[in-house]
Amino acid sequence: AQSVTQPDIHITVSEGASLELRCNYSYGATPYLFWYVQSPGQGLQLLLKYFSGDTLVQGIKGFEAEFKRSQSSFNLRKPSVHWSDAAEYFCAVAPGGRRALTFGSGTRLQVQP
Amino acid sequence: NAGVTQTPKFQVLKTGQSMTLQCAQDMNHNSMYWYRQDPGMGLRLIYYSASEGTTDKGEVPNGYNVSRLNKREFSLRLESAAPSQTSVYFCASRVQGYEQYFGPGTRLTVT
Repeated sequence: AQSVTQPDIHITVSEGASLELRCNYSYGATPYLFWYVQSPGQGLQLLLKYFSGDTLVQGIKGFEAEFKRSQSSFNLRKPSVHWSDAAEYFCAVAPGGRRALTFGSGTRLQVQP
Repeated sequence: NAGVTQTPKFQVLKTGQSMTLQCAQDMNHNSMYWYRQDPGMGLRLIYYSASEGTTDKGEVPNGYNVSRLNKREFSLRLESAAPSQTSVYFCASRVQGYEQYFGPGTRLTVT
């Protein structure tokens, strides 16, 4: 069965600093990969997705992620964090795009002024 | 389009009570899902429905039942609520092969 690991439970960065959130997955083939963001008390919003092709994908709100097959990773990055980026971020995978998503346990981002 | 809607937003139940969580989507999606979110555990799949008339168990189905009423609606029922079912419940829908869209969630407390 596929699994997703987000090794950082909580990350604090200063506003304007760069950000990288880590995600590793375990699956026999290349799954469909997603990053979602959840603001407090809200549902999940899709930031970006990877299905195939270019391994660097651009998303909304200035986020990007890079798929690295050799490392089974799909890390999320942003060059300059804004206070409004404080939220919880979830990496998720879907095997071949079928069935449901398997989520990581999430990384909570705190942004310091 | 409203996207995915869920009712109620909040609910408090006593142990042993029953209730139904409602979910509807207006995006003409075939697949619909119910997840629960618990601290430190991400979202876990309870049940899903690949199309109208079909339902399948997910990772944590015990204590729950579902009904895919029509293409738009997918309800989740707790027949006899337990404190372990205190959680935030999310409904989602999906176009074939693409990402899922989530509702705003239902925060359920069982005392």
